Amino acid sequence: GAVVSQHPSRVICKSGTSVKIECRSLDFQATTMFWYRQFPKKSLMLMATSNEGSKATYEQGVEKDKFLINHASLTLSTLTVTSAHPEDSSFYICSASDPSGGGDTQYFGPGTRLTVL
Amino acid sequence: GENVEQHPSTLSVQEGDSAVIKCTYSDSASNYFPWYKQELGKGPQLIIDIRSNVGEKKDQRIAVTLNKTAKHFSLHITETQPEDSAVYFCAASINNDMRFGAGTRLTVKP
Repeated sequence: GAVVSQHPSRVICKSGTSVKIECRSLDFQATTMFWYRQFPKKSLMLMATSNEGSKATYEQGVEKDKFLINHASLTLSTLTVTSAHPEDSSFYICSASDPSGGGDTQYFGPGTRLTVL
Repeated sequence: GENVEQHPSTLSVQEGDSAVIKCTYSDSASNYFPWYKQELGKGPQLIIDIRSNVGEKKDQRIAVTLNKTAKHFSLHITETQPEDSAVYFCAASINNDMRFGAGTRLTVKP
């Protein structure tokens, strides 16, 4: 149980374009989903927390107009990187909270490798 | 906010030996401490977790201990195998706000 999927696993785009990443909880309903960014050989950096049906809460320094988050259902959250630039290239990982696991247990997706040319 | 420190950053052990990774946290209100294993190019996988009302938890070759007074917790892996090689992250959480340590790269030599 507690499986989280992400799509796509890898994406290459041109500078200036937008990219959408999907995060799905496959076997549980996730009231809260999280988006992280990870640089090579570094730890996970929380970008934003999203609750189903409400606006996402962004961490300090994360541009909400650049990283659009939508959590329209209990099993799907999307992250859209708008007007992507090479410095946005990174490994993006989502996680979802399973309420049955105490509410604070986070299960991670497999990640999306974004490369902006 | 919460600050989590993790040591060592790299750890190399011989197959069959034990491995210990230690973390400290700053906020005494933290009440949930998971450990994740991340293999190259993949997302972190939850391997064990402990809550603040418990001092120790074990799952086969993996155990976690928590010292709330000292605000530190540790991961213990016994009888290590080459497939245990990965990056391990500790985390401390308050009300779903989770902060991660910097990670430990564990290498198990056959």
